[in-house]
Amino acid sequence: QVQLVQSGAEVKKPGASVKVSCKASGYTFTSYGISWVRQAPGQGLEWMGWISAYNGNTNYAQKLQGRVTMTTDTSTSTAYMELRSLRSDDTAVYYCARQLWFGEFFWFDPWGQGTLVTVSS
Amino acid sequence: SYVLTQPPSVSVAPGKTARITCGGNNIGSKSVHWYQQKPGQAPVLVIYYDSDRPSGIPERFSGSNSGNTATLTISRVEAGDEADYYCQVWDSSSDRGVFGGGTKLTVL
Repeated sequence: QVQLVQSGAEVKKPGASVKVSCKASGYTFTSYGISWVRQAPGQGLEWMGWISAYNGNTNYAQKLQGRVTMTTDTSTSTAYMELRSLRSDDTAVYYCARQLWFGEFFWFDPWGQGTLVTVSS
Repeated sequence: SYVLTQPPSVSVAPGKTARITCGGNNIGSKSVHWYQQKPGQAPVLVIYYDSDRPSGIPERFSGSNSGNTATLTISRVEAGDEADYYCQVWDSSSDRGVFGGGTKLTVL
């Protein structure tokens, strides 16, 4: 079955970087994109950006431009999200999700199990 | 950027019908998708492309989209439907995803 398995929880200090992985299985990795979504404690879902696993094209949320980089390794069917210059308000659960589409419309299914990133001094 | 507005909470008695709205400017021209998230779990897609159900999602879940409002309808609500529900669209003008703020469904 289609599955996305993410790396484990991280604790980082302010100013540091974090890199979260998302290993896909059960489908042809390069046929779909991957979106990253985060959720701060007690808050809603925030879309962070997406990467095409076919050609590596990316698009990021405006508020994260310059701090986030999304990449893929097609040899291992793994997507990565790196966030730099971490602040306390980056504390959140980070999800990856396979991006499905019809025409110009995109949605997300399935999702990874989530990775808790805690930023604390 | 495109904004989606959801009511923070909706309450419904078991066996009744719950309706969760998602408002946006001319949202009827977009495709709306809905996710269910239970505490401590990842979101799960329950409706895509306005009204289609993924396999494994009960027929009690349905969706509609017209004008400035999309609606997720849950018929014959069960205790297990208690969760947060999020609507989502793709803003093709910016090539970015957009989520509503989420609605907490409480089963009385």
